[in-house]
Amino acid sequence: DQQVKQNSPSLSVQEGRISILNCDYTNSMFDYFLWYKKYPAEGPTFLISISSIKDKNEDGRFTVFLNKSAKHLSLHIVPSQPGDSAVYFCAASGGGGFGNEKLTFGTGTRLTIIP
Amino acid sequence: ETGVTQTPRHLVMGMTNKKSLKCEQHLGHNAMYWYKQSAKKPLELMFVYNFKEQTENNSVPSRFSPECPNSSHLFLHLHTLQPEDSALYLCASSRGQGNSPLHFGNGTRLTVT
Repeated sequence: DQQVKQNSPSLSVQEGRISILNCDYTNSMFDYFLWYKKYPAEGPTFLISISSIKDKNEDGRFTVFLNKSAKHLSLHIVPSQPGDSAVYFCAASGGGGFGNEKLTFGTGTRLTIIP
Repeated sequence: ETGVTQTPRHLVMGMTNKKSLKCEQHLGHNAMYWYKQSAKKPLELMFVYNFKEQTENNSVPSRFSPECPNSSHLFLHLHTLQPEDSALYLCASSRGQGNSPLHFGNGTRLTVT
């Protein structure tokens, strides 16, 4: 049973436009959500996170939105740049007790920015 | 330079071999993790260590044996693996104090022949 779902395996966006990546989760115990970016032959790199007490977090060109009632989060990248082409993973944690930061990951969305 | 270093980057082994994967973190973190990434599947948690103590074994077969001698080092000992164990094995670390991100190494690409 997949608790974190990314239903779009791939997405292509024109350079300069907005990229929107979506993620749904089923476990209501999750209280911390993250996005990771992964280039080929490298490990995932932390991008941005959001706690369940917030509904928006912004860091430069990256904004994450959380809709707890819908159990949905999204990552907005604006403007999109060629270097943003990568696989993006949504991840969630929570409910595991103090100090337990283990993450449950989605299957990833491959973002391609078209110059 | 990544704060989490994994060696080797690539490993090919036969089903009767014994090998070990090594991970070292230079971030002063207290928790370390092994994840497995197979094709078309999400990253799967294998083991969690917090302050050198194993706090989670996610139903991993005994042919995978982790070792955490201190908070900076983590090993994954491999023996009598199967071809379906071929995957990317990722090590990660975190502060271990709740709600902080995991930092990953670049992984070991394992092929079992």
